[in-house]
Amino acid sequence: DTEVTQTPKHLVMGMTNKKSLKCEQHMGHRAMYWYKQKAKKPPELMFVYSYEKLSINESVPSRFSPECPNSSLLNLHLHALQPEDSALYLCASSQPRGDTQYFGPGTRLTVL
Amino acid sequence: AQSVTQLDSQVPVFEEAPVELRCNYSSSVSVYLFWYVQYPNQGLQLLLKYLSGSTLVESINGFEAEFNKSQTSFHLRKPSVHISDTAEYFCAVSYINDMRFGAGTRLTVKP
Repeated sequence: DTEVTQTPKHLVMGMTNKKSLKCEQHMGHRAMYWYKQKAKKPPELMFVYSYEKLSINESVPSRFSPECPNSSLLNLHLHALQPEDSALYLCASSQPRGDTQYFGPGTRLTVL
Repeated sequence: AQSVTQLDSQVPVFEEAPVELRCNYSSSVSVYLFWYVQYPNQGLQLLLKYLSGSTLVESINGFEAEFNKSQTSFHLRKPSVHISDTAEYFCAVSYINDMRFGAGTRLTVKP
């Protein structure tokens, strides 16, 4: 099973809302990732968790707050977002030393 | 840090014609190389990867890529494309957990 699941598929939120994106994998991977992808652009790395600890933070604004409650779950908490944060948010997982990252289908986020 | 350059932003080709999507990378350390494909409104799917060993890697749907260390390239090829191959293709380089993508190549297969 090489499946990474993400919920919700679509999310529309106002600039004052608080929402969360969820990601789950059951492949036994110990590294999980959040990427942001704007239209017609490549994915941009936001955060990396390795063994449930934040190992890479690509200078993402604090209105994005990641959380890794256990080895299978990864959340991205959203608060006070801006319209320019509208994008496809992709989650991925892999073994901790790199190798192949498996991607979820993404959450399409629209900030009004 | 590692980086990737995809030399063609768009590649139009007729069905059953061969295609090559070009990718060059830059890194001061040994890295892993990948090709991912993205269909509209979907996530990324792994097409093939080079970790070590044979420099020619193949996917199950007829694509292949060759790792060329001297030219720092990892070009993707298919001898005969189908309409269903129309998609965005991303080359990526990874060092430990840090993966960087090229800008992408839009492959459009025309009947």
